Amino acid sequence: QSALTQPASVSGSPGQSITISCTGTSSDVGSYNLVSWYQQHPGKAPKLMIYEVSKRPSGVSNRFSGSKSGNTASLTISGLQAEDEADYYCCSYAGSSSVVFGGGTKLTVL
Amino acid sequence: EVQLVESGGGLVQPGRSLRLSCAASGFTFDDYAMHWVRQAPGKGLEWVSGISWNSGSIGYADSVKGRFTISRDNAKNSLYLQMNSLRAEDTALYYCAKDLYSRSGSYYFDYWGQGTLVTVSS
Repeated sequence: QSALTQPASVSGSPGQSITISCTGTSSDVGSYNLVSWYQQHPGKAPKLMIYEVSKRPSGVSNRFSGSKSGNTASLTISGLQAEDEADYYCCSYAGSSSVVFGGGTKLTVL
Repeated sequence: EVQLVESGGGLVQPGRSLRLSCAASGFTFDDYAMHWVRQAPGKGLEWVSGISWNSGSIGYADSVKGRFTISRDNAKNSLYLQMNSLRAEDTALYYCAKDLYSRSGSYYFDYWGQGTLVTVSS
């Protein structure tokens, strides 16, 4: 159960697109389409943004999209807005009723 | 409205025990798997444990296996985490989280509580 690997930080200007990668192994991301992404603003509980690799819960902007290739999942945010500035975490099922999170990525909107 | 309210956190000495509770409302509790996720101060999220709707399937992170026990009481709409042999590295905000899908379980967390802080220190 090693944490998934995410870049520590990414940044972009309003209106631009950014992509956050999430690299796991053949035991987690590579074996299951059970990947999700969470947004967390300071002092707040996390919010589910993407599940099942690319599905968006009701109420989540279509500016957020997810994908996966091999052992790496990605979250893309298009049309960056100031309110997107937050920490983002990927998460994957890892077998044997266990889950593993990524280390988190701090998104800065310049 | 879905509500998850954690309680039971506090300051505890290393090696001692603590029991966390999560009171759920606003949904059919016994239809959903539930999870505990923690976040150490200034650090990232770490899944701790999960339990299926009927307690038939339970999982733990390696870091807590053998020390923590998850359980639920569907009659009381409550989730619990018994934490034994606590260590300094268990210091964190502990969140209770609801699974997205009913019955089948999905390991996606669509509702979270506000967390209860556990501090392990002498």
